Amino acid sequence: DARVTQTPRHKVTEMGQEVTMRCQPILGHNTVFWYRQTMMQGLELLAYFRNRAPLDDSGMPKDRFSAEMPDATLATLKIQPSEPRDSAVYFCASGPFTSGWVDEQYFGPGTRLTVT
Amino acid sequence: AQKITQTQPGMFVQEKEAVTLDCTYDTSDQSYGLFWYKQPSSGEMIFLIYQGSYDEQNATEGRYSLNFQKARKSANLVISASQLGDSAMYFCAMREADTGTASKLTFGTGTRLQVTL
Repeated sequence: DARVTQTPRHKVTEMGQEVTMRCQPILGHNTVFWYRQTMMQGLELLAYFRNRAPLDDSGMPKDRFSAEMPDATLATLKIQPSEPRDSAVYFCASGPFTSGWVDEQYFGPGTRLTVT
Repeated sequence: AQKITQTQPGMFVQEKEAVTLDCTYDTSDQSYGLFWYKQPSSGEMIFLIYQGSYDEQNATEGRYSLNFQKARKSANLVISASQLGDSAMYFCAMREADTGTASKLTFGTGTRLQVTL
């Protein structure tokens, strides 16, 4: 049963520290998304990649957030320096891009980040 | 303007009954897709069902069906024969055409469903 995996599942860190979240998309999926979920804002798209190339990261605070795909099996989201307002659940999702659409996006279990 | 509106913050349904979760959307695109996801208390997002704007038939997946009314711009999720395990948060989402290079999802605020005995 193919799944998106994310590590770590939980992260508590102090303000100012660097945080790196990792995602392994489903094998064969060429589109990867990063979402953030908070009580106030709900689910927001931060960035997404197609064939490892970033297509849109307009939802991401550029000064402190960065997203990369070093290879087809790994996507990373980094926050440096972290701030308390970054506390949220961060989801990675992947999907196959066929016929111009991603008809299904499969989510990972999320990383629950707490910045104190 | 909200692109996806879920007007029911919370719903209760008795076990074995059917329940409809409302979702309306706003888009000027002719080609778009509508999704429903379930988020149980464990936090993961589970894909339930998808409806394309050009699909003439309403999508069905097991006990889930999507009541798609294009003219009204609504895409309600119907869960038949509710089970206790259906208690969760349910999100409606829409994919719009952009430059054609990818598919971004916009999510509604969710409806919390509680199934009772």
